[in-house]
Amino acid sequence: GQQLNQSPQSMFIQEGEDVSMNCTSSSIFNTWLWYKQDPGEGPVLLIALYKAGELTSNGRLTAQFGITRKDSFLNISASIPSDVGIYFCAGLNSGGYQKVTFGIGTKLQVIP
Amino acid sequence: GAVVSQHPSWVICKSGTSVKIECRSLDFQATTMFWYRQFPKQSLMLMATSNEGSKATYEQGVEKDKFLINHASLTLSTLTVTSAHPEDSSFYICSARERMVPAGYGYTFGSGTRLTVV
Repeated sequence: GQQLNQSPQSMFIQEGEDVSMNCTSSSIFNTWLWYKQDPGEGPVLLIALYKAGELTSNGRLTAQFGITRKDSFLNISASIPSDVGIYFCAGLNSGGYQKVTFGIGTKLQVIP
Repeated sequence: GAVVSQHPSWVICKSGTSVKIECRSLDFQATTMFWYRQFPKQSLMLMATSNEGSKATYEQGVEKDKFLINHASLTLSTLTVTSAHPEDSSFYICSARERMVPAGYGYTFGSGTRLTVV
């Protein structure tokens, strides 16, 4: 099946710093998604990307859909304590039941 | 925005008993619902996909007789863990796919159910 490799798996940063995480796939996706999960909660969608090369922002978050359609990155600028959580990339293909495949996650910790 | 309610949020049960988890889309109709399992410090692993009125499609390695899924209406899906064992202890999360919404934005997740089997 499709596999998503996400890196880094964890990171500690100082409040105010920028953060970057990325995701690569062994195969092509038509849609890339980035989610954030807080402890004991379900994931919440941050950004959805639909076209190769697309660059989309949501507040301090920016994500890009790689040209090869096999990768994506998420940047968080000027991190704040509430950015703490686990960030998951996910891929989605059209057809069938359109299952969402998740990466292994990046655990972000922000030091005030 | 779209809201998915999952209940209960946590449950402790004895080994050998069955547990039912409900997933409801509160303000939209869900053409498809998905059930995931997440072990500590791991990703969400898809267990099964269910469409209203039809049998669920299970992922490879997931026992359909152990994890019973019923999608009785466009707003409700249930997952029943039968004859639960300690190794079934996990965080179970449902997701509902909203009709007529572009893929990606149309997937809303419940808040999860923490199952502990003792």
